[in-house]
Amino acid sequence: EAGVAQSPRYKIIEKRQSVAFWCNPISGHATLYWYQQILGQGPKLLIQFQNNGVVDDSQLPKDRFSAERLKGVDSTLKIQPAKLEDSAVYLCASSLTAGRHNEQFFGPGTRLTVL
Amino acid sequence: GNSVTQMEGPVTLSEEAFLTINCTYTATGYPSLFWYVQYPGEGLQLLLKATKADDKGSNKGFEATYRKETTSFHLEKGSVQVSDSAVYFCALSSQGGSEKLVFGKGTKLTVNP
Repeated sequence: EAGVAQSPRYKIIEKRQSVAFWCNPISGHATLYWYQQILGQGPKLLIQFQNNGVVDDSQLPKDRFSAERLKGVDSTLKIQPAKLEDSAVYLCASSLTAGRHNEQFFGPGTRLTVL
Repeated sequence: GNSVTQMEGPVTLSEEAFLTINCTYTATGYPSLFWYVQYPGEGLQLLLKATKADDKGSNKGFEATYRKETTSFHLEKGSVQVSDSAVYFCALSSQGGSEKLVFGKGTKLTVNP
């Protein structure tokens, strides 16, 4: 079974530029998550989708971050414009469905450096 | 709000030593508790979980018991190997809402031969 795919793996941009990350979840997984992991900290949820609807985006900085999950499969996370403090690893995860017992499967992440 | 506190790292052990990584949590209701592991260059993987009080999760020789009275979920292994070197994250998922995972800061473990 293929895992969660993410691209690119690494991205370096200058502040005020825009950047987009792509995620392809495990086939059949209805729930998709984007996390931000700053160096030395645990991952923090940015947004959760159930199929193509948003379940939780309470910690998404909506003035600069946006995400979509068209057709309930792939997802894109965008930052525009980027700030220095956005330097982090962005993790995508998926689970068969929502629910606190369900295992989330994580992709390898995209490491973003903002200069 | 919900939070997880785990012991500061890094932790360095010799092969075959006993491992304990402490984890305590604050949450409303009855959360599910998890340990995730991140090996060098890889994504996060679920190591073990427990969904109710007194449950013991176990996998690959690691164990953790859900202790509601002490709000703890400490990770233990009786004899670590070099291949256990990784970063370990304690996490919880609470009832209601998005049931999102809330992670601790992670503990880096290095096992020397």
